[in-house]
Amino acid sequence: QKEVEQNSGPLSVPEGAIASLNCTYSDRGSQSFFWYRQYSGKSPELIMFIYSNGDKEDGRFTAQLNKASQYVSLLIRDSQPSDSATYLCAVNGKADMRFGAGTRLTVKP
Amino acid sequence: DVKVTQSSRYLVKRTGEKVFLECVQDMDHENMFWYRQDPGLGLRLIYFSYDVKMKEKGDIPEGYSVSREKKERFSLILESASTNQTSMYLCASSMTSAYNEQFFGPGTRLTVL
Repeated sequence: QKEVEQNSGPLSVPEGAIASLNCTYSDRGSQSFFWYRQYSGKSPELIMFIYSNGDKEDGRFTAQLNKASQYVSLLIRDSQPSDSATYLCAVNGKADMRFGAGTRLTVKP
Repeated sequence: DVKVTQSSRYLVKRTGEKVFLECVQDMDHENMFWYRQDPGLGLRLIYFSYDVKMKEKGDIPEGYSVSREKKERFSLILESASTNQTSMYLCASSMTSAYNEQFFGPGTRLTVL
């Protein structure tokens, strides 16, 4: 079992819709969770982090964490074509960070 | 803003050459990381360092070594480049706490012919 698993996609949504990205992790001791966005040919950039169970909202983005189910998600409301990218889920390890392989999102105008 | 820079955006080397990739961060971060990223495989950790002259192996250290002589600088060395080391190499840095996010450099796309 991979330490951090994501559906590779591609996930395609129409402009204005809600995009839902999911991630599961294996280490119950993990304490911090991150979502990165990576445009093609660019490096990852942090868009959200979450430490506590529940929801955390930042503009059009909402991160959701359920530690009992070992599940993290990212919702993007009112999706825009500029949101088209690969989204990486990351979970802190003992001394480093574990990344999922990423979900590719396409928002169609 | 945190700035992480890498010595080259694109690099082409020949099989057997010794290759140096350099990373510099300007935010006094304790931790620095080297990853490679390949399609379908995501980010894979090669080495990381949590202090000057300290290093820890990641998931795929074979064929690589690292050097951290100064806090702001972390170098990745390919002792004898091979074609299977053709990849995107990403450097990142973070503060010590596990709660802190990693900041990435722009990446170096290395091609080994």
